[in-house]
Amino acid sequence: DGGITQSPKYLFRKEGQNVTLSCEQNLNHDAMYWYRQDPGQGLRLIYYSQIVNDFQKGDIAEGYSVSREKKESFPLTVTSAQKNPTAFYLCASSTQGQGNTEAFFGQGTRLTVV
Amino acid sequence: GEDVEQSLFLSVREGDSSVINCTYTDSSSTYLYWYKQEPGAGLQLLTYIFSNMDMKQDQRLTVLLNKKDKHLSLRIADTQTGDSAIYFCAERPRGGATNKLIFGTGTLLAVQP
Repeated sequence: DGGITQSPKYLFRKEGQNVTLSCEQNLNHDAMYWYRQDPGQGLRLIYYSQIVNDFQKGDIAEGYSVSREKKESFPLTVTSAQKNPTAFYLCASSTQGQGNTEAFFGQGTRLTVV
Repeated sequence: GEDVEQSLFLSVREGDSSVINCTYTDSSSTYLYWYKQEPGAGLQLLTYIFSNMDMKQDQRLTVLLNKKDKHLSLRIADTQTGDSAIYFCAERPRGGATNKLIFGTGTLLAVQP
């Protein structure tokens, strides 16, 4: 089935450690996105990528890093520089172009710093 | 600015209609979306409307767009307990180099049996 898969569903990290969240899609979408969700704040864009080997910072990129070596994959690393990393992280993908470019979402990864 | 605003909470009784409102600020937006998020899950697209339309109906869902006031609403007829979720509106601004969506803060819909 076509879709977008995030793993793991739950992740625990000790303070001071880096951790990488996986996002894979088989929808042949060019664009991929990472959002962070906190209660009462909606979705905030961390990073996005429109094409392989290229990505741009979103609104809250500090303390995060990404790579886009393959079209299907857009992993997000939460570094120790991120001051408040406990949150629900959502990955999405979409087509590019002028028409409807709805975003398709993964099921999310809940990261907890212990 | 590119802020999309929604009220945080709505409570309705089963069988009633629900109306979730959204205000956006980018008048150039081409597409506007409604997404549903169930607890602990990702977002699912419910429906979308193109900016040259005033209304779109899809079974129990009716979307109204008032471009003059930059107001978008989602009406759910005959609301069921399974409709309890967070609902996000999103806009896609025209122009720019990306197709990224700008999301609202989300409205938690609680359906009372």
